[in-house]
Amino acid sequence: EAGVVQSPRYKIIEKKQPVAFWCNPISGHNTLYWYRQNLGQGPELLIRYENEEAVDDSQLPKDRFSAERLKGVDSTLKIQPAELGDSAVYLCASSLDQAGSTNTGELFFGEGSRLTVL
Amino acid sequence: SQQGEEDPQALSIQEGENATMNCSYKTSINNLQWYRQNSGRGLVHLILIRSNEREKHSGRLRVTLDTSKKSSSLLITASRAADTASYFCATPSGSRLTFGEGTQLTVNP
Repeated sequence: EAGVVQSPRYKIIEKKQPVAFWCNPISGHNTLYWYRQNLGQGPELLIRYENEEAVDDSQLPKDRFSAERLKGVDSTLKIQPAELGDSAVYLCASSLDQAGSTNTGELFFGEGSRLTVL
Repeated sequence: SQQGEEDPQALSIQEGENATMNCSYKTSINNLQWYRQNSGRGLVHLILIRSNEREKHSGRLRVTLDTSKKSSSLLITASRAADTASYFCATPSGSRLTFGEGTQLTVNP
C-alpha cells in the first residue's frame, strides 16, 4: 500500500515569492494534517481536515498561508509571499481516526517538503 | 504550544546498551503515542498506550505511562546503530495531536 506522498521534497525560493506543496494521503484516510517542523523541534499543527472541511486551522497564519483539500483527497498548502522565517519542513499526515479519539489515533506521515527561503 | 516535553534532549549510547527517554505532559489524556524520525525523513508511529494501560511492549520497545505523574517513558533495549533517530512523544490536546521537542538518540557502533 502506498504511503503519504508529498512533493516537492526540496524547494529553495527567494523571499516574497510564492510556493506550493502538494500531498496525497493514504487511500481511504479521511483526516489530513499539515504540520510545520522547524530545525531541532517537534512538528506543530497548521491545519487539519476532516474530509474536505478544515476543522482546525487556528494555527495557520492566514495572512500568507492557505490550504485546500480537493474532493476530500489531495491537499495543497500555499505560502504567498514567503518570508525568511518560513524556512522549515512541511509535513503532511493522514489518519483514519481523529487524533484525540480512543481508537488508533495513529498518524501516517509523508517524507516532508523542506523549504528554504533566501 | 507544546503539550509534551521529552527528556533528555540528546542521548548518546553504545550499541547493545538500553536507551530510556521520558515525556511529561500537562493535561489529562486518553492516549499517548511515540514516534521516531530518522534524519531528513517523516515521522513513523512506534506505539500507542491508552490512559488505562500502565505498560506496553512492542519488540524491543517498552512504554510506560503514569497518569498520576503525567509522564511516560520509552525504553529501547539492546540498541542498534539503526535506532539512531529523534524520538517524539505525542498527546491529544482537544482534537489535536501535539508533539514534544523530541529526544535525539545516537547509538554508536
